[in-house]
Amino acid sequence: AQTVTQSQPEMSVQEAETVTLSCTYDTSESDYYLFWYKQPPSRQMILVIRQEAYKQQNATENRFSVNFQKAAKSFSLKISDSQLGDAAMYFCAYRSFNTDKLIFGTGTRLQVFP
Amino acid sequence: DTAVSQTPKYLVTQMGNDKSIKCEQNLGHDTMYWYKQDSKKFLKIMFSYNNKELIINETVPNRFSPKSPDKAHLNLHINSLELGDSAVYFCASSQGRGPYGYTFGSGTRLTVV
Repeated sequence: AQTVTQSQPEMSVQEAETVTLSCTYDTSESDYYLFWYKQPPSRQMILVIRQEAYKQQNATENRFSVNFQKAAKSFSLKISDSQLGDAAMYFCAYRSFNTDKLIFGTGTRLQVFP
Repeated sequence: DTAVSQTPKYLVTQMGNDKSIKCEQNLGHDTMYWYKQDSKKFLKIMFSYNNKELIINETVPNRFSPKSPDKAHLNLHINSLELGDSAVYFCASSQGRGPYGYTFGSGTRLTVV
């Protein structure tokens, strides 16, 4: 069974600085998809960025980018120019090519200080 | 227009009661899900429906029964509520298998007293 591990329960960053959130996963599959979700205090789950395992190029969405290392089964999220509104829980998630199930990590709480 | 809407947003009830949470999506997605987020924020899938057919049924007490009258709706009925059922329940939908993330509802915070 696939598992997703986020080893940083909490992280903090100063406004305008850069922070990287770690995620590792365990799978025997070669095709899959990876996601980062943000959950602010409002509770809403918001898709931040996605990566297809067959693509070598790292995904980028504005200030958010990933470092996808398939061999190492690592999928970290980099937030550049951090803003107060980035403060939230961040969840890494794995989705198998063959199933509908999204498997989440335990989350990292990000605090942003002015 | 809200893409995935679930009602109610908050639900406080006594042990032993039966309650339902409703979910509707207007995205035209074929697949809908129920997830449970516990007090430690861990998200775990409970059920998945594809076009009204049950696809995923994780190890969930049979007091929980999902119902999908059509592909745009997925409701969750819970019988004989217990203290341990207190959590946030999320409904979500997806276009199906592939690089599609889920679109989540805003969650229902269930508190059993």
